[in-house]
Amino acid sequence: EPEVTQTPSHQVTQMGQEVILRCVPISNHLYFYWYRQILGQKVEFLVSFYNNEISEKSEIFDDQFSVERPDGSNFTLKIRSTKLEDSAMYFCASSGARTATYSNQPQHFGDGTRLSIL
Amino acid sequence: KNQVEQSPQSLIILEGKNCTLQCNYTVSPFSNLRWYKQDTGRGPVSLTIMTFSENTKSNGRYTATLDADTKQSSLHITASQLSDSASYICVVSAYSTLTFGKGTMLLVSP
Repeated sequence: EPEVTQTPSHQVTQMGQEVILRCVPISNHLYFYWYRQILGQKVEFLVSFYNNEISEKSEIFDDQFSVERPDGSNFTLKIRSTKLEDSAMYFCASSGARTATYSNQPQHFGDGTRLSIL
Repeated sequence: KNQVEQSPQSLIILEGKNCTLQCNYTVSPFSNLRWYKQDTGRGPVSLTIMTFSENTKSNGRYTATLDADTKQSSLHITASQLSDSASYICVVSAYSTLTFGKGTMLLVSP
């Protein structure tokens, strides 16, 4: 079964540095998402991406964050000037083709990148 | 503000027993309600998705119910197995944005 893959599995970065988290969504999917989960807390939506542009974003997704689909397979999340509170598990997800009920399609999640800011 | 509340926070049951997890939500507009299973250190895996018009949906030993009037859902697990030990997360969708609950941590004991 096709999977969403994320790299690296664990990223350790000094506070103030920039970090890029990488994701390879399922190949025929059109919608892409980033979520984060701070240790012991619930998963939080960051951003959704469709047709090479952001379709929705949360209050968390401020100017510190950006997303990009640099080629036909990768989907990246860039975090600039990292802070201690950015330490979390970051999940990428993708979902399928745009249909009349696209919002009812399951999102397939990767296993996440654990980001540790020192 | 969109919210999803789950209960209980954690639950321990004996292998082979059944259990029911609860979810209440205040999310608008409502697109669908999802249950995910999240094993420790892994990403969430979709179990069921229910739209406004669906009252129940099954996936093997997992059965989800939805009462859109009272904005409540439940997930019933039948004949539990050790591999069912995980966090079960209720997620409510407003278009493409998902609001997650904190999850119920289920431990199935031999």
